[in-house]
Formats: sequence, C-alpha cells, structure tokens
Amino acid sequence: GAGVSQSPSNKVTEKGKDVELRCDPISGHTALYWYRQSLGQGLEFLIYFQGNSAPDKSGLPSDRFSAERTGGSVSTLTIQRTQQEDSAVYLCASSLGGSNTEAFFGQGTRLTVV
Amino acid sequence: GNSVTQMEGPVTLSEEAFLTINCTYTATGYPSLFWYVQYPGEGLQLLLKATKADDKGSNKGFEATYRKETTSFHLEKGSVQVSDSAVYFCALSRGGATNKLIFGTGTLLAVQP
Repeated sequence: GAGVSQSPSNKVTEKGKDVELRCDPISGHTALYWYRQSLGQGLEFLIYFQGNSAPDKSGLPSDRFSAERTGGSVSTLTIQRTQQEDSAVYLCASSLGGSNTEAFFGQGTRLTVV
Repeated sequence: GNSVTQMEGPVTLSEEAFLTINCTYTATGYPSLFWYVQYPGEGLQLLLKATKADDKGSNKGFEATYRKETTSFHLEKGSVQVSDSAVYFCALSRGGATNKLIFGTGTLLAVQP
C-alpha cells in the first residue's frame, strides 16, 4: 500500500479482555517495528521483526504482550488480560531494513482500557 | 544505556519567531540522530536526520547539527509558521542489526498568528 496502515484506529476494551492490533507495512519493507506512546513515557520500542522473525523483543513490557508477523507482511500485536496501564497509542513502523534506512510510521491504534 | 533528553514543552511562539528545541543524547559509539514530527491527527514523519558528527540535517526550513563534543542535536528554525504547530521528537539509532529508534519524550510546539 501507499503507507503503513494500522487497525483499528481506536479500541476501547474492558480490563481483563484480550485485544489484537494489526499493522500492514509498506509493501517490500522487510523490517517492522512496534512502539508504544503513552502519557509521561514518550515513545517506547516494543519489538522488531526482520521478515517473520523477531530478533529483538526486548521492549515488550510483560508476558501478556506478544506479536507475530506472517508472510513477511502483516503483523499482529496481542495484549492478553489488558490492564489500565496498557492504555496508550500503539504505533507500527516499517522500513527497507539495514542501518540508517528511514522508518515510516502508521497513524497508530489508540487503546483505552476501562 | 542509550537515551535522549529533550526540552519540556509546550513551547509557544508567535509566527515568524525563532525556534530552538534542545536535544541531548547518551549513547555508546556513533549513533545516527533524527528529528520526527507529529502533526495533529497524523502519524510520525521523519523531519531530518544526521548520520555522523558535524553533519547538518535540514528540511522545510528546519536545521539540526550533530555535535559530538556536546552530544547534542538541537532543532532550529529561523521563522516559524502556524503550520509548524506539532509535536517534535528527537531520536537516535545505534544502527546495527535492529536499527530501532530511541525517542525523547517529545516537545509540543504551538505557533500563534
């Protein structure tokens, strides 16, 4: 597609429920990243994919968070048993990979846990 | 560890005023440095970057110079416009296998007519 697409754009969920956030990267981009943007925390790296594998998961805050990528394209970030502190904007970015290549960001999914 | 510190906002300026948003970093080795901008209702966009010491990144009238001796990458613009109102993020990347970005907390700029 023309840009990185994320869905849904907004998600309100009840505490304890599971949620899935989707990212469609730019076609041909092998690198894919998830970040979280929350009040007072700024933008935090969560996980990095190169193709379908995730060599860097160091930013995932707990084992309730997981992500997968299939076909070297679409990625899904899953949060199990959501907590109020999970409320944030989740951003996806993709790039051609390699050092110093530009990352293109989607508009994000705003998650609110009530 | 690697980190980025940028000035707290919000920064409120009148149109045509001079802008400086300070950014300093802590990193081992020689990171690449970036400024990203997030306009209201839009996603993050790369504004400019510099990949080695003394490089100057520039775009849309904005400039930033990679200063290794002061570990800084301050964003400047000589004459801001209302359309520059946005949140600005300073970031670094160590490159390597991951090339992930480490961001500052962002600075909200509001330009008044």
